[in-house]
Amino acid sequence: GESVGLHLPTLSVQEGDNSIINCAYSNSASDYFIWYKQESGKGPQFIIDIRSNMDKRQGQRVTVLLNKTVKHLSLQIAATQPGDSAVYFCAERYTSGTYKYIFGTGTRLKVLA
Amino acid sequence: DAGITQSPRHKVTETGTPVTLRCHQTENHRYMYWYRQDPGHGLRLIHYSYGVKDTDKGEVSDGYSVSRSKTEDFLLTLESATSSQTSVYFCAISVKKGETQYFGPGTRLLVL
Repeated sequence: GESVGLHLPTLSVQEGDNSIINCAYSNSASDYFIWYKQESGKGPQFIIDIRSNMDKRQGQRVTVLLNKTVKHLSLQIAATQPGDSAVYFCAERYTSGTYKYIFGTGTRLKVLA
Repeated sequence: DAGITQSPRHKVTETGTPVTLRCHQTENHRYMYWYRQDPGHGLRLIHYSYGVKDTDKGEVSDGYSVSRSKTEDFLLTLESATSSQTSVYFCAISVKKGETQYFGPGTRLLVL
């Protein structure tokens, strides 16, 4: 079951290497950002988040970098494993009357053995 | 899937029939959301709820209605299904308004 279309950008990485997945966000007023992982046929799974008052946040094997100047977000996965194979997408939150989210379409990560 | 179940997980229906999808959470969270996911699009918000009997429209609400009579259940109804509503539907919950959303496993709906 494809989760988001057949023509996603794909990143192929050798097992054990580091992966970097990028996301350009659209709204300069966005103040909160989330990375999700979505395996085939499953729901999106929260990985890590970052607020706009931060540039970097680290989790277990993952790091998110935020560059507000160019509206760019990246997800770094250290020592990529076969279980990391999935679609990764970012979400940005802004306020317009109420909280609103914009979700990206994602990047497919393929881990090569 | 953060204590969220969706039913049914798969459904095939015919154009013009009503369809109801159910989202059930065991987290007792106040905030619940319905999204659809389609090729070439990010998740798009259909409706959301900030509590029992407190619901509002999202960006793609036409043809959909929702109900929330209990904290744990959020129902999405397609009043008269159309082929354009063929999609994967996800329910999400959050602890606080606007904060991190956690998603259910999804319902794959095919409207013939």
